[in-house]
Amino acid sequence: KNEVEQSPQNLTAQEGEFITINCSYSVGISALHWLQQHPGGGIVSLFMLSSGKKKHGRLIATINIQEKHSSLHITASHPRDSAVYICAVRVVGSSGDKLTFGTGTRLAVRP
Amino acid sequence: DAGVIQSPRHEVTEMGQEVTLRCKPISGHNSLFWYRQTMMRGLELLIYFNNNVPIDDSGMPEDRFSAKMPNASFSTLKIQPSEPRDSAVYFCASRDGGGYTFGSGTRLTVV
Repeated sequence: KNEVEQSPQNLTAQEGEFITINCSYSVGISALHWLQQHPGGGIVSLFMLSSGKKKHGRLIATINIQEKHSSLHITASHPRDSAVYICAVRVVGSSGDKLTFGTGTRLAVRP
Repeated sequence: DAGVIQSPRHEVTEMGQEVTLRCKPISGHNSLFWYRQTMMRGLELLIYFNNNVPIDDSGMPEDRFSAKMPNASFSTLKIQPSEPRDSAVYFCASRDGGGYTFGSGTRLTVV
């Protein structure tokens, strides 16, 4: 079983819809990252969370440390949000900055 | 800042040849990471450096892989000899204590 599980694996939405991507992990963590990988392949770091909630534009990320769960929300989705969204955790006790990655959620937003 | 710069963007090489991938991190970032991404295994950490010193190389697949960081502005990942199973996208990323900044990646194809 992977230490980091994402759901759904694939998601198709209509432009304007509210989108939620989930990440569950089974280990103690010191931080959780959400990354975005566009079809061209580039990876962008969206959020780093250790507690609570962060917001950037139409993106909101939340984390519940007790439940070992994080969500990434996209409000008023747009075709340019189409990408793979990857959850990654920094495991407590792992050497320094080592991240463990989820397998990603592929999002397609249709106009 | 131009971001994390990787070269080459694409590399096609024959099995058995030596391959060198290069990375220039963001100035002032004290951590540098090499990741490999494949369809089967997703993103995996190969090695990371802190202040030019290798901290964790447990992800380096085997002795054919080596990485160096001779100074704060340059790192290389070398594969010698290369094999078809090394075909992947190799990402370099740097970090200054906050989020990660990824390079555009090097797509390596070993034929």
